[in-house]
Amino acid sequence: DTGVSQDPRHKITKRGQNVTFRCDPISEHNRLYWYRQTLGQGPEFLTYFQNEAQLEKSRLLSDRFSAERPKGSFSTLEIQRTEQGDSAMYLCASSLVYASGSDEQFFGPGTRLTVL
Amino acid sequence: EDKVVQSPLSLVVHEGDTVTLNCSYEVTNFRSLLWYKQEKKAPTFLFMLTSSGIEKKSGRLSSILDKKELFSILNITATQTGDSAIYLCAVGRYRGATNKLIFGTGTLLAVQP
Repeated sequence: DTGVSQDPRHKITKRGQNVTFRCDPISEHNRLYWYRQTLGQGPEFLTYFQNEAQLEKSRLLSDRFSAERPKGSFSTLEIQRTEQGDSAMYLCASSLVYASGSDEQFFGPGTRLTVL
Repeated sequence: EDKVVQSPLSLVVHEGDTVTLNCSYEVTNFRSLLWYKQEKKAPTFLFMLTSSGIEKKSGRLSSILDKKELFSILNITATQTGDSAIYLCAVGRYRGATNKLIFGTGTLLAVQP
């Protein structure tokens, strides 16, 4: 499977614990995005990387959230001191930006986080 | 504030019906509009539209963009139960600006046998 992959697919944790999610983009894609989706809503942008550089962070991304893409390939999203409001589906997407600026984003299967 | 609005919020049809889903937007530095289909997992890409008036087709699905009136429609003809899903509309912004997608809340389509 050469699509975007995410791990784990499901995570249940207790409030106050730290969690880390991983995303492996499509191999030649240079952009990687994190989104969060809650029930009944469309995905909301969290942050994105161009290669290893983190170029934008949403104000949704509090200080408890950190994302990295150290070698410009896979990325991790860590949430510290989880809260019940963090319960959501965390989606990763990747894209290859062409000279024309075309930027079709392809999504992974998501990590569903439940904070008890 | 940038926003993407989809209508209807939900729709129930019978197999064989034709449906039209709507997406309107107010976004600065518009560059593209994308349609995704979301079943139980992550959104799967359907179309990306950048030019007005040019219809994109894939089987029974088609979509068109009107950049003057700031909306797009997604048509599905001869619907099947497998078309049941949430259809998401998203708007992308210019290269050089943020490339985040701004999503609508989706249209939940249920196709009954």
